[in-house]
Parts: sequence; structure tokens; C-alpha cells
Amino acid sequence: AQSVTQLGSHVSVSEGALVLLRCNYSSSVPPYLFWYVQYPNQGLQLLLKYTTGATLVKGINGFEAEFKKSETSFPLTKPSAHMSDAAEYFCAVSAQGAQKLVFGQGTRLTINP
Amino acid sequence: SAVISQKPSRDICQRGTSLTIQCQVDSQVTMMFWYRQQPGQSLTLIATANQGSEATYESGFVIDKFPISRPNLTFSTLTVSNMSPEDSSIYLCSVDLDRVGEQYFGPGTRLTVT
Repeated sequence: AQSVTQLGSHVSVSEGALVLLRCNYSSSVPPYLFWYVQYPNQGLQLLLKYTTGATLVKGINGFEAEFKKSETSFPLTKPSAHMSDAAEYFCAVSAQGAQKLVFGQGTRLTINP
Repeated sequence: SAVISQKPSRDICQRGTSLTIQCQVDSQVTMMFWYRQQPGQSLTLIATANQGSEATYESGFVIDKFPISRPNLTFSTLTVSNMSPEDSSIYLCSVDLDRVGEQYFGPGTRLTVT
């Protein structure tokens, strides 16, 4: 079975500062890992994914994440926050070969001017 | 990628009534998923809908309350039956195109039950 824990339900950073959103996962099999973003009153949009291969994955809007197997973590980062990054971010996991996604509780990112 | 539309986008319903939500995809897909997102919460999978077979429900969700239809490879419906205020949520459908868990989501249906 898979599970996801996002550390921090609310993160606030200044515009131009580093964004770091934390995600820990539990999986009995090699996982596929995802970060999704949800802007207000919209559906979910895929930011990036890790399946196999290179552990550092780059996504849209300047975000990237690193699969850290030894730490069972998949932190999402962006070097310089922009006001448009304000949204809810969800980390999700699925088992390799399966389609069912398990989501974390979400982290609301606020950007201060 | 896939373009997914949902109808209605929002609705306000009386308790005890039912609402059917439609999900349309612009390409043929095998697996479709229905999620519930309660206010301020994460997404919870309701069921997986494969064309030509009965939907598979997650623990805590039953067919009598959330009947699902999947008549073809581009369309599905979710009905929320005998609604109560606790059913007030956003309901989202999604599809998996490449069988590695990457899902594309519809815009959601915001349901308020009074």
C-alpha cells in the first residue's frame, strides 16, 4: 500500500525567495511520484513526475523535484518564487504498473510581495 | 495529454435529491477515475471506471450512493444519490493515458447541498 505525507499545510515565502515543499511517501513497491498544482477554482495540473531513471526531474513553471530513495522523500523546489505560484500543491504516489493515485493532504503556498 | 470537460461546473441541490455529473474526454481512454475533494481537503478516490465493466469502488464508497456509468471510451457519469450536506464537495474526474499513474483532471464540479 502507498501513502503520502506532506509536511506543512501552509507555506509562505516572499517573492523571489526559494520555494521548498516537502513530501514523504511510503510504498511497499518502487513508486511513481507526482506533484500536482491546483489554482483557485480549477482542476489539478501535473507539475512533474518521477517514474524511473534520473532522480532529479524538471517540470513546468520552473519547478523541479528530486527522488530521494534513502529518505523516502520527493521535495518540490523552485529557486525564485513568483506571485503566480500561489496555489495548492499536492504530492501523489502510485505503485509501478498500477494506475491508482494516492494524494497527500496538500500544501497551500502563499507568496508575499 | 487530454482535454476533459465536466458538466455541470457547479450546482446547488436540496437534500434528498440526486445529481448526475458528466465527464467527457477528447480521446479514447480505458480507465477513468472519480474523486471527491471535500472543502479544504485533499482528493479521495471514489471509484475507478473501466469501459465495459462494473466500476470498482474504494473503501467507504458504495454503488447505491455513487452509481457510475461508463457507456463508451470517452464518457462517464457519476451520480450522487440521496444527497445530504455532507456531500458538499468538488467532484473531479480524471483519466490515465499511459498507465504509469499520470492522470489528467477535469475542472471539477462544485456541489453544494442545502
